[in-house]
Amino acid sequence: AQTVTQSQPEMSVQEAETVTLSCTYDTSENNYYLFWYKQPPSRQMILVIRQEAYKQQNATENRFSVNFQKAAKSFSLKISDSQLGDTAMYFCAFMNQGAQKLVFGQGTRLTINP
Amino acid sequence: GAGVSQSPSNKVTEKGKDVELRCDPISGHTALYWYRQRLGQGLEFLIYFQGNSAPDKSGLPSDRFSAERTGESVSTLTIQRTQQEDSAVYLCASSLGYWNEAFFGQGTRLTVV
Repeated sequence: AQTVTQSQPEMSVQEAETVTLSCTYDTSENNYYLFWYKQPPSRQMILVIRQEAYKQQNATENRFSVNFQKAAKSFSLKISDSQLGDTAMYFCAFMNQGAQKLVFGQGTRLTINP
Repeated sequence: GAGVSQSPSNKVTEKGKDVELRCDPISGHTALYWYRQRLGQGLEFLIYFQGNSAPDKSGLPSDRFSAERTGESVSTLTIQRTQQEDSAVYLCASSLGYWNEAFFGQGTRLTVV
């Protein structure tokens, strides 16, 4: 069974700083997809960024980028120039290409301080 | 509709009663997921529907939990004989399948008293 682990329950940084959230996963599959979702206090889950395992190039979306290390089964999220609106729970998620079941980690609570 | 809609948004029920939670996915989305999120916790997978395939029920915690979906439309999650440990936010998501983005509803907050 696939598992996703986020080892940082909480993180806190100052506005405009860069922060990196960690995620590791366990799978025996070769083809899969990885996602980072954001859940602000409104409870609405929002997709931040995604990565296909067969792509070596790390995904980037504006201030958000990932460091995907397939051999190490690591998928960290870097937020540059952090903003107050980035304050939220962040969840790493895994989807097996075949089963298509979306499995989430336990989340990291990120607080951006003014 | 414009997004995934869940109802009710909040539900308070007495221990031992049955509850039904409803999810209206985005039109055309073949995949539908149910998750449970306890306070301050991550998303616990419950069940996954994909088109007309047999659902993946591997996450349902007990036989008190069941879910149905007719075709690619509405899904209902039923919890029978509710227990206090069932108190949580129940989130529904839908997607076009495969690795497409999953869009989430606002969730139903269930409180069992």
